[in-house]
Order: sequence, then C-alpha cells, then structure tokens
Amino acid sequence: SQQGEEDPQALSIQEGENATMNCSYKTSINNLQWYRQNSGRGLVHLILIRSNEREKHSGRLRVTLDTSKKSSSLLITASRAADTASYFCATDASSNTGKLIFGQGTTLQVKP
Amino acid sequence: DTAVSQTPKYLVTQMGNDKSIKCEQNLGHDTMYWYKQDSKKFLKIMFSYNNKELIINETVPNRFSPKSPDKAHLNLHINSLELGDSAVYFCASSHEGQGGEKLFFGSGTQLSVL
Repeated sequence: SQQGEEDPQALSIQEGENATMNCSYKTSINNLQWYRQNSGRGLVHLILIRSNEREKHSGRLRVTLDTSKKSSSLLITASRAADTASYFCATDASSNTGKLIFGQGTTLQVKP
Repeated sequence: DTAVSQTPKYLVTQMGNDKSIKCEQNLGHDTMYWYKQDSKKFLKIMFSYNNKELIINETVPNRFSPKSPDKAHLNLHINSLELGDSAVYFCASSHEGQGGEKLFFGSGTQLSVL
C-alpha cells in the first residue's frame, strides 16, 4: 500500500519565493527521505531525517518531521528556476531491508 | 563517470515480446534495486538484491525476473510483455541496504509496449 502522499500535487511559484511541500504517511517509520527528479531523469537524494529528529537543514532546504502527525514538510527558500522538478518523499519502515516507499510527488514549477 | 547506469534508455516493443534491461553501478555498493514509475509518477519497488542475494520481492508478476551476476550488476528480464508493463523502470543502489541509507538512481528506461 502507498505510504507517502505529497501535497500539493503541483505548485507554481515565482523565482525568489519559498516553496513548501508536505508529505503524510501511515505507519511508523525509521527515517524519511526527500528526493528530486528532473524531467526525464532519475531521482536524486536531497536529505534524510531520522524518526528522532524534528528538523534538518541543507543549504536552501529545510525539512521538518512530526511523527505524532505522521507528516513531513520540505521548504525550499529563495527558489530558482533550476529548482523546477518533481519532489518525492520516501519512508523507510523496514526491518533493515532498505525498502523505501515513495509518494506520488509534488511537481514544482519555478517561473523566472 | 555515471554511478548507476542502465541501458537502454528507451525501449519500444510489441506485446508478447521478451526484453531485458541492464543495470550496473560503480559505487561499490552491496545492494541494488528495481523500481517502476507509472504514468502518474507513482514509484514502486519491485526487487532488491544484496550481494547477489534476493532480499525484496514485491508482488510482481513472475514474468519479471531479476538476475544479479555479481553485486555490481542487476538486470531485469521481462517475458511476454503486456500493455500494462509500459512505464519507466529505474535501477538504484545503496551501500548496504540495511535501511537509513540514501539511494542512487540510474536515469531510467522508458518502456513502451505497443
């Protein structure tokens, strides 16, 4: 069954604005990851947040995790046209198999 | 150098045919995966291998058979292709496959079954 669900499905903003994407999941997790997929390309790992962490930063990215609400958010600050891509959350609830379950993604368009 | 490479990038074939997709990683990782991404971008795991041993085998039709000749390679063979097999197939790898690791993805193989 699908674990992660992203919201919104599509987001269009102007360059310089912030973009926030949300992910909800259903079962307990060990960690949650965010990936980016440019059109026609493979997924690229952005950030991993463990279940005992609440917030993590990487450059212009800020990820939060609320395990009580089973949700995570990805904030991209000062967006650029190059940030245009689809963003996926992936949850790891496995007992050490490395199995990630992906949501359907949020398609972000950043207009120059 | 491409870390995870898969071939071909595009595959167009007729229903009923048999086809293979190859994947190689030069990262020295122990674990490799196959994921399927449908037209709605939903990405679902199919298989994983750790050092040539099958670890994850989701509810995939047995027309799909993964083969791992060594830990750097994981190929996917599909028999009797059906229209519903049309999708983008991604190969990925991770260091140990124990969880808590990031995945490195190939650029995908777009399979179109006519």
